[in-house]
Amino acid sequence: QQPVQSPQAVILREGEDAVINCSSSKALYSVHWYRQKHGEAPVFLMILLKGGEQKGHDKISASFNEKKQQSSLYLTASQLSYSGTYFCGLRAPPSSGSARQLTFGSGTQLTVLP
Amino acid sequence: GAVVSQHPSWVICKSGTSVKIECRSLDFQATTMFWYRQFPKQSLMLMATSNEGSKATYEQGVEKDKFLINHASLTLSTLTVTSAHPEDSSFYICSAREDNYGYTFGSGTRLTVV
Repeated sequence: QQPVQSPQAVILREGEDAVINCSSSKALYSVHWYRQKHGEAPVFLMILLKGGEQKGHDKISASFNEKKQQSSLYLTASQLSYSGTYFCGLRAPPSSGSARQLTFGSGTQLTVLP
Repeated sequence: GAVVSQHPSWVICKSGTSVKIECRSLDFQATTMFWYRQFPKQSLMLMATSNEGSKATYEQGVEKDKFLINHASLTLSTLTVTSAHPEDSSFYICSAREDNYGYTFGSGTRLTVV
């Protein structure tokens, strides 16, 4: 079952903050975040492996709430280069039959305006 | 970092012909690779899991006789779209996972069947 991402789209001005949420109805092992520019392949942003883990790079960070089966991606002081579609990819626990594959959320289209 | 090379980047073919897409892990070995299809403004949908030395595992609704997958070595997986039709036109992306990194995607192949 596909993870649910919200919002579906967001438009903001350069320098503003944004939060993208990803939730699953199934137990999670890890959460992966990707950004995809139009016509290009997705680019890996970060992976969160443990419930409660938070991670960041530059002004993009993410959190993983294993109990709530959800993750959030935080973009602080957005730059024009942040524009793109953001996908969360969820991986099931190793004990499940589909442990090695990622199931992607529906995507969130982020547009940063000057 | 882990690099996945995918070729060709784009291909235009006539209806009824077959097209082969290659996916190579350049600096690591990948016993498992994943093939995705993405239609415009939609998320990545997993088509199949390619396993080195054994048969691929196809997702429900994906015709294994139409989308032939061969994973002959630890660094190469191929997807052949047989008897392609216009409805097969899409963006096909492979990915692989290297132990120390998240899932890395190839650059994608845009297939247009005319």
